[in-house]
Amino acid sequence: NAGVTQTPKFRILKIGQSMTLQCAQDMNHNYMYWYRQDPGMGLKLIYYSVGAGITDKGEVPNGYNVSRSTTEDFPLRLELAAPSQTSVYFCASSYWGQEKAFFGQGTRLTVV
Amino acid sequence: DAKTTQPPSMDCAEGRAANLPCNHSTISGNEYVYWYRQIHSQGPQYIIHGLKNNETNEMASLIITEDRKSSTLILPHATLRDTAVYYCIVKETSGSRLTFGEGTQLTVNP
Repeated sequence: NAGVTQTPKFRILKIGQSMTLQCAQDMNHNYMYWYRQDPGMGLKLIYYSVGAGITDKGEVPNGYNVSRSTTEDFPLRLELAAPSQTSVYFCASSYWGQEKAFFGQGTRLTVV
Repeated sequence: DAKTTQPPSMDCAEGRAANLPCNHSTISGNEYVYWYRQIHSQGPQYIIHGLKNNETNEMASLIITEDRKSSTLILPHATLRDTAVYYCIVKETSGSRLTFGEGTQLTVNP
């Protein structure tokens, strides 16, 4: 099992550009999460999903969109990148929200 | 989900036990205590969780007070590789989102 895979690992965007951060898991987990982590800070929940076709906002959803068409994939979309979205983004998954969540290695995004 | 309070930083000598406290005075009866850690720049890693009984696994021990208003994560023999930010989280096992606070920066010194 690969676990939780995030792509790309690094990306530089210009202000106003758009991009999709990819997240895939091969553990058949129902729950998936997107977090952002600014330097020296804790993780903030952006969006989460409890299953295919179901998504919900977290603490900091503005400027982002998600979709969950399959159990395996949970992409995060930035439509109009802003410098405030410069951060490290982590994707995670868990089985029915129970016990442990598995995290990807992160995507480091810089918006200039 | 109940809010947690952790000290921002702690130090520990290598080989000694590291005891990380967490206060969760508003915890409800169906909420569990979870611990995760994040080694620099990596994704967080699950450590342990429990409801009211003490728990132990290969990584750590979790001690929860009888009134469940606080808990302590114990790393019995800390190594330099245990230097990380440790997060205490209180949540139900299912049906609720996983949210993180600021955590405790544990530094293990040689």
